[in-house]
Amino acid sequence: DAKTTQPTSMDCAEGRAANLPCNHSTISGNEYVYWYRQIHSQGPQYIIHGLKNNETNEMASLIITEDRKSSTLILPHATLRDTAVYYCIVRGGPNAGNMLTFGGGTRLMVKP
Amino acid sequence: SQTIHQWPATLVQPVGSPLSLECTVEGTSNPNLYWYRQAAGRGLQLLFYSVGIGQISSEVPQNLSASRPQDRQFILSSKKLLLSDSGFYLCAWSSGFSNQPQHFGDGTRLSIL
Repeated sequence: DAKTTQPTSMDCAEGRAANLPCNHSTISGNEYVYWYRQIHSQGPQYIIHGLKNNETNEMASLIITEDRKSSTLILPHATLRDTAVYYCIVRGGPNAGNMLTFGGGTRLMVKP
Repeated sequence: SQTIHQWPATLVQPVGSPLSLECTVEGTSNPNLYWYRQAAGRGLQLLFYSVGIGQISSEVPQNLSASRPQDRQFILSSKKLLLSDSGFYLCAWSSGFSNQPQHFGDGTRLSIL
């Protein structure tokens, strides 16, 4: 699975959009980009995933650059409950295996 | 909609005692099921996964075992717990189709004394 790079931490004002970047410059053509978040003492929560097109669901939007080497997770109106560690994971293809590999993630702090 | 349940949420066990953690999934059939462990401040380690009843694959040799007696039930067990078995245990499921995301339960925090 391709390696990802994320900032260690970010702050966001409540009610504003939170834009979380992820670099995955070694991504291969059949690998997907997945985003999870983990609030302290809870299991990881799936947010969204995509291959090359931008995706949107009730939680967030995922913007993938045309060359697929980076992506941005957008929380349109961040709330205090969005404070968590956000993980960007690249995985897929016939040799994907079963394990999700979580890196360091970005610690998002939403402030009032 | 699909839901995943894990219990208990917390557990304190003495060294050498047995363990049984249970995970069940609702709202889907023939899911892939996974057991992970997360040590404090570290990433997730895949322990076992299952693609069907009675089919268990172990990723890491250890003191634990897993069983899948029913389609949507996954059990993590140990005959004799070690201090090193302490951690946050997470069950997850995914559909059988490739590239579908894994969905996690709320986890069991296990402390060994």
